[in-house]
Amino acid sequence: ILNVEQSPQSLHVQEGDSTNFTCSFPSSNFYALHWYRWETAKSPEALFVMTLNGDEKKKGRISATLNTKEGYSYLYIKGSQPEDSATYLCASMIKAAGNKLTFGGGTRVLVKP
Amino acid sequence: EPEVTQTPSHQVTQMGQEVILRCVPISNHLYFYWYRQILGQKVEFLVSFYNNEISEKSEIFDDQFSVERPDGSNFTLKIRSTKLEDSAMYFCASSPQGPSYEQYFGPGTRLTVT
Repeated sequence: ILNVEQSPQSLHVQEGDSTNFTCSFPSSNFYALHWYRWETAKSPEALFVMTLNGDEKKKGRISATLNTKEGYSYLYIKGSQPEDSATYLCASMIKAAGNKLTFGGGTRVLVKP
Repeated sequence: EPEVTQTPSHQVTQMGQEVILRCVPISNHLYFYWYRQILGQKVEFLVSFYNNEISEKSEIFDDQFSVERPDGSNFTLKIRSTKLEDSAMYFCASSPQGPSYEQYFGPGTRLTVT
């Protein structure tokens, strides 16, 4: 069973501060890692899809890194703003499982003004 | 901007009844997915669909579940005989290509089985 874990489960951040959190996944047969941003009462929104060891991706103030050998990815938010408040989900895909995404439990980020 | 839509937003049904959840994926996308999230649990993959057939399904997706793309736009999930434990938020998603591409999620259908 593929187990994807995210930590911490929740995070309170002061506006303007930077923060980061972790997604860990089994490294064997790795194919792709997805990050999604999910605001309450909205659809999950894709942030990044990462496939290569050492990948770094950036969208605005949000960036992510990937280490496929040790099985982890970090998501960074620089200069957090209240609109960054959301649950951030990661999901892993392995080679043998076709298009199946296995999700972590999410990190809930609350940015306080 | 194109988006995935789902209907209804909330469905209440009695145990043993059949339900059909509907999704309209983004029009030029080729891959379609159903996920669910039981309250307090992780989002779980149910099934992926490509080229008019199931490409991958999870252990959850047993004979009680089926998917269909009846025309060029709709993608449906049918649960034949609902159980209490089927109560969850069901999400449809689509992607333009396969696993290396981001998936676009709909807003979800909350299914309550009583």
